[in-house]
Amino acid sequence: ELKVEQNPLFLSMQEGKNYTIYCNYSTTSDRLYWYRQDPGKSLESLFVLLSNGAVKQEGRLMASLDTKARLSTLHITAAVHDLSATYFCAVAPRFGNEKLTFGTGTRLTIIP
Amino acid sequence: DSGVTQTPKHLITATGQRVTLRCSPRSGDLSVYWYQQSLDQGLQFLIQYYNGEERAKGNILERFSAQQFPDLHSELNLSSLELGDSALYFCASSGSPYEQYFGPGTRLTVT
Repeated sequence: ELKVEQNPLFLSMQEGKNYTIYCNYSTTSDRLYWYRQDPGKSLESLFVLLSNGAVKQEGRLMASLDTKARLSTLHITAAVHDLSATYFCAVAPRFGNEKLTFGTGTRLTIIP
Repeated sequence: DSGVTQTPKHLITATGQRVTLRCSPRSGDLSVYWYQQSLDQGLQFLIQYYNGEERAKGNILERFSAQQFPDLHSELNLSSLELGDSALYFCASSGSPYEQYFGPGTRLTVT
């Protein structure tokens, strides 16, 4: 059974600082996703990573994927308050199976 | 706005009752997915439909059922409701294996 672990669960950081959220998964995967969720809201797609070594960046967020280590990271650069949210990684096991298994989420709070 | 719509936004009902949640996918998307988000279980995949046919099943209780209609909208039926069924229920749709677009969710409260 595919398991997805995220850490940390909670992260409180000051504006302007850098930090990384880690996502480990237990079996071979074709696709890894990062989503953002604001309180009481839906999930907003941030990145889809499809291959080993894939790196994608959008603004202050950068995601990378190492399929050999079964690890993805979401790096936050020079955090700003607007990035406060819960971030989820999710894994789809293989093409033809689009069922997403989600991590526990990382609640990120950016302190001014 | 993802283009996926869900109704109702909120639903409050009593234990033992039955409810139906509705989802309209993005225009042209053939796949619909249902997920449950609760404090103790996190985000869990329930079921997927593709062009009217069940494609994949996750941790969906026997009391729950779903279907996708010819116009591609989907309904999730929850029966014999228990307190533990209180959760946010999300529908997602996709037109390719690479993306899933989530709707705004239905918050179900069972009292």
